[in-house]
Amino acid sequence: GENVEQHPSTLSVQEGDSAVIKCTYSDSASNYFPWYKQELGKRPQLIIDIRSNVGEKKDQRIAVTLNKTAKHFSLHITETQPEDSAVYFCAASKPNFNKFYFGSGTKLNVKP
Amino acid sequence: DTEVTQTPKHLVMGMTNKKSLKCEQHMGHRAMYWYKQKAKKPPELMFVYSYEKLSINESVPSRFSPECPNSSLLNLHLHALQPEDSALYLCASSQDNRVYGYTFGSGTRLTVV
Repeated sequence: GENVEQHPSTLSVQEGDSAVIKCTYSDSASNYFPWYKQELGKRPQLIIDIRSNVGEKKDQRIAVTLNKTAKHFSLHITETQPEDSAVYFCAASKPNFNKFYFGSGTKLNVKP
Repeated sequence: DTEVTQTPKHLVMGMTNKKSLKCEQHMGHRAMYWYKQKAKKPPELMFVYSYEKLSINESVPSRFSPECPNSSLLNLHLHALQPEDSALYLCASSQDNRVYGYTFGSGTRLTVV
């Protein structure tokens, strides 16, 4: 199978600071790595994803990096805002296999 | 339409009741999923339907019974649930048997009393 570990479980930052969440995976066959943001009582929403043929991807204040050799990927949020406060989940999946392996989640708190 | 719609949004049921959760998408996606999510935990996969056939059952108790009447609809029939089954039930869909274009519904908050 696949095992995805996510750290830290909670993260508090001051508004305007950067936040970094890290995930590791075990199966080198995994090739797709999405990040989901889930606000309290709402659905998980895809915020950014990366495929294994790319090392980094950016979308405004959000970026994801992937190190295939070390089997880890990270979410970077710059200039954090209070509305970034939520639980973030990383996930991994394998080719032609419609199942995600989720990390345990990181609760991000951005203090105004 | 780029949404996955779930009904009802909230459901309270007794342990002897029979109820159903409904999920609908009109994006032409051919894979649909049921997840269970407990507070502060990641979603746990329950079932996957691919091209209207059950392709994954993650050893879910038989008191949960999925049904896929057509490519746009997914139901989850509930019978004789336990209080520990109280959770947020999420439906999702994707284009095919790969996870690209994965979209979650807004969920049904289920409480078993």
